Amino acid sequence: AQSVTQPDIHITVSEGASLELRCNYSYGATPYLFWYVQSPGQGLQLLLKYFSGDTLVQGIKGFEAEFKRSQSSFNLRKPSVHWSDAAEYFCAVGSQAGTALIFGKGTTLSVSS
Amino acid sequence: GAGVSQSPSNKVTEKGKDVELRCDPISGHTALYWYRQRLGQGLEFLIYFQGNSAPDKSGLPSDRFSAERTGESVSTLTIQRTQQEDSAVYLCASSFKPGDRGGYTFGSGTRLTVV
Repeated sequence: AQSVTQPDIHITVSEGASLELRCNYSYGATPYLFWYVQSPGQGLQLLLKYFSGDTLVQGIKGFEAEFKRSQSSFNLRKPSVHWSDAAEYFCAVGSQAGTALIFGKGTTLSVSS
Repeated sequence: GAGVSQSPSNKVTEKGKDVELRCDPISGHTALYWYRQRLGQGLEFLIYFQGNSAPDKSGLPSDRFSAERTGESVSTLTIQRTQQEDSAVYLCASSFKPGDRGGYTFGSGTRLTVV
């Protein structure tokens, strides 16, 4: 069955420290992979996406993610976290076939000063 | 429009009443999706429309839930005889086409509270 797992429900990171949010997927076809961010009371905003080619993709707000096919992972990283990054982060998987995206349950990021 | 518009932004209804939620996708986006987000949960797929094709209703949790879309425009999600477990944020998203590499554009959602 197709699924997305985000193992960490809640992560707290100090401002200025590095961040890695984990995402593992199970998908039969070649996946399209996405990371979205949801700030309190806001809709979801696309951070970055992967389809093919270079396995390290850059996104907005200084985020990047690396696709590792052998590990079925697409972890999100940021070298230095800012207080404004506190939000909920969702990993999602889809395909060229166009079926609806499947989302993970999300990871809540808190940033401490 | 410039973004995906959902209305109302908040809805409080009594248990047993019917509610209708509206979604206005981005002009030109042929694909439209409804998701449900319960408190502390991820996004649960409900239904997907693509142009004039039959919608993918595989995510609808019960026959109390239905949705319509006229062509490539507005969609309405109807919940009949609402129950307290229907309380959630209902998110609508649209994309230029299925499998669009641009991903989805989401609306801000409708927060439904059933009392």
